[in-house]
Amino acid sequence: LAKTTQPISMDSYEGQEVNITCSHNNIATNDYITWYQQFPSQGPRFIIQGYKTKVTNEVASLFIPADRKSSTLSLPRVSLSDTAVYYCLVYDGGFKTIFGAGTRLFVKA
Amino acid sequence: EPEVTQTPSHQVTQMGQEVILRCVPISNHLYFYWYRQILGQKVEFLVSFYNNEISEKSEIFDDQFSVERPDGSNFTLKIRSTKLEDSAMYFCASSEPLGQNTGELFFGEGSRLTVL
Repeated sequence: LAKTTQPISMDSYEGQEVNITCSHNNIATNDYITWYQQFPSQGPRFIIQGYKTKVTNEVASLFIPADRKSSTLSLPRVSLSDTAVYYCLVYDGGFKTIFGAGTRLFVKA
Repeated sequence: EPEVTQTPSHQVTQMGQEVILRCVPISNHLYFYWYRQILGQKVEFLVSFYNNEISEKSEIFDDQFSVERPDGSNFTLKIRSTKLEDSAMYFCASSEPLGQNTGELFFGEGSRLTVL
């Protein structure tokens, strides 16, 4: 299973764009990059998933360079309610999704 | 929107007692999981379950733990002889068949277990 590394924490202000970068140097050819969000005392919630280039949905964008050794989750115009832990993980199609420590994003007014 | 439901939301038990945590996965999902999260720590994989058998389990999932799908809707985690260090939030998750999506996990709200 490919290991991921992401910043422990980040601070931002309301209305700003937040970019959280994750490295996954040993990602395999068949792996997908997946991001989850977790609020306190709640289960993680899927945000976005991609394989290469750029993926965008109503919540976020995911940028993946050609070598796929890193990825960047972009949250446009964050609000206080985006304060959460964001997990980057690599999904290999198996039955075991492993979460790392995540990035604690704190959005200030 | 379909969701994964878990009961109880909070259970307090004495050390050494048995606990059963229950989950109702999303109805058309075929893969089921249990994770746990000790307060302030990361989400840890315990076990995955498919076709009425364990697919994978972590080193945490020792003989103290067992899972079962007793009927067509429930998925349970049993913890025998609970220990203080079993105190955690336990999350159930489910996912659609592989090949129909790319493994998006749908988590329940969790069951908080407190062992005294």
